[in-house]
Amino acid sequence: DAKTTQPPSMDCAEGRAANLPCNHSTISGNEYVYWYRQIHSQGPQYIIHGLKNNETNEMASLIITEDRKSSTLILPHATLRDTAVYYCIVRVVLGGNEKLTFGTGTRLTIIP
Amino acid sequence: EAQVTQNPRYLITVTGKKLTVTCSQNMNHEYMSWYRQDPGLGLRQIYYSMNVEVTDKGDVPEGYKVSRKEKRNFPLILESPSPNQTSLYFCASSLKGGVGGQYFGPGTRLLVL
Repeated sequence: DAKTTQPPSMDCAEGRAANLPCNHSTISGNEYVYWYRQIHSQGPQYIIHGLKNNETNEMASLIITEDRKSSTLILPHATLRDTAVYYCIVRVVLGGNEKLTFGTGTRLTIIP
Repeated sequence: EAQVTQNPRYLITVTGKKLTVTCSQNMNHEYMSWYRQDPGLGLRQIYYSMNVEVTDKGDVPEGYKVSRKEKRNFPLILESPSPNQTSLYFCASSLKGGVGGQYFGPGTRLLVL
């Protein structure tokens, strides 16, 4: 799986959009971008994933650049409950073992 | 409600006393997995299961056993726990095939004295 780079920490004001960047410059054509978050030692939570098109669900939007070398997770109206560590993962989807390997992630703090 | 449950959530035990951490999912998922999370080491996979009666080792299987007799349950067994197995344990499941996300349980915090 390709390596990802994320800023170690970010702050965002409550009610504003939180934009979390992820660099994955070595991504290959069959690798998906996944985002998870973990709120203080709770179980990691799946947020969203995409291949090359932008994706949106009830939690967030995922914007993937045209060259696929970077992406941005957008939480449109951040709340205090969005304070968490966010992990960007790039992985091939082949079935088989779906092992997840988290890097250090971005610690997002929502400021009241 | 779709969920992965783990029990117990917290456990203090002594070296050598066999224990089982249960994991159950109600989403009819084929894939299940156990991870441990330690400070500075991130998430490490212990065992996984592609379907009933199919299990395989992850990255750190030593000292653990699993079984998958039913689709919904995937217990983690520590036959003779040691202090280096003190950790935060997560069970996860997904539909199959790798597409879509994994759903995690709330975690089991284990302390082995």
